[in-house]
Amino acid sequence: GQNIDQPTEMTATEGAIVQINCTYQTSGFNGLFWYQQHAGEAPTFLSYNVLDGLEEKGRFSSFLSRSKGYSYLLLKELQMKDSASYLCAVRDRDYKLSFGAGTTVTVRA
Amino acid sequence: GAVVSQHPSRVICKSGTSVKIECRSLDFQATTMFWYRQFPKKSLMLMATSNEGSKATYEQGVEKDKFLINHASLTLSTLTVTSAHPEDSSFYICSASDGVSSYNEQFFGPGTRLTVL
Repeated sequence: GQNIDQPTEMTATEGAIVQINCTYQTSGFNGLFWYQQHAGEAPTFLSYNVLDGLEEKGRFSSFLSRSKGYSYLLLKELQMKDSASYLCAVRDRDYKLSFGAGTTVTVRA
Repeated sequence: GAVVSQHPSRVICKSGTSVKIECRSLDFQATTMFWYRQFPKKSLMLMATSNEGSKATYEQGVEKDKFLINHASLTLSTLTVTSAHPEDSSFYICSASDGVSSYNEQFFGPGTRLTVL
């Protein structure tokens, strides 16, 4: 199984940068996903990493180190609409996803 | 593309009744569908995985007779919560995978809020 840890809450100011860390222990790693989820809605895909390194996608970037069992999601130029829960999810060799508990990001003006 | 719908979006039922939730892939064929449950302020927990035409595989601790899953076609899976009780109240989310998208990712439906009185 997977053991996935991420901080519960983070607060940042509009226009700032926030980094959400995720550590995991896995029995068969097959990729790591980051999702954004607004309250009462389904998760929406943000990024995918399977190899070590940084993946950049506009204001969002995600980093992976497989040897350390570590990933982070970087949100730049924060906007009020970025206030949401951010979920780290690890996929195993059966293509099942295990989710972290989510990090609630609050963006303040 | 890759749109997944769920119906209904919200349902309120009395204790002891059964509720069926549909999950449809609208513009692709879903070889595999997944059902998750999410309690307030908690993460998504995988309940079961279903492949078209075969029996669902349930995660440990999920009662297969309580949560009936049918994946009769490549675009439709249903979850039936039988004899629902208040503790079954939750947000149920399905996802679908076509097995050929760039990350072989799961596409999520909008979720169904079940409230059992």
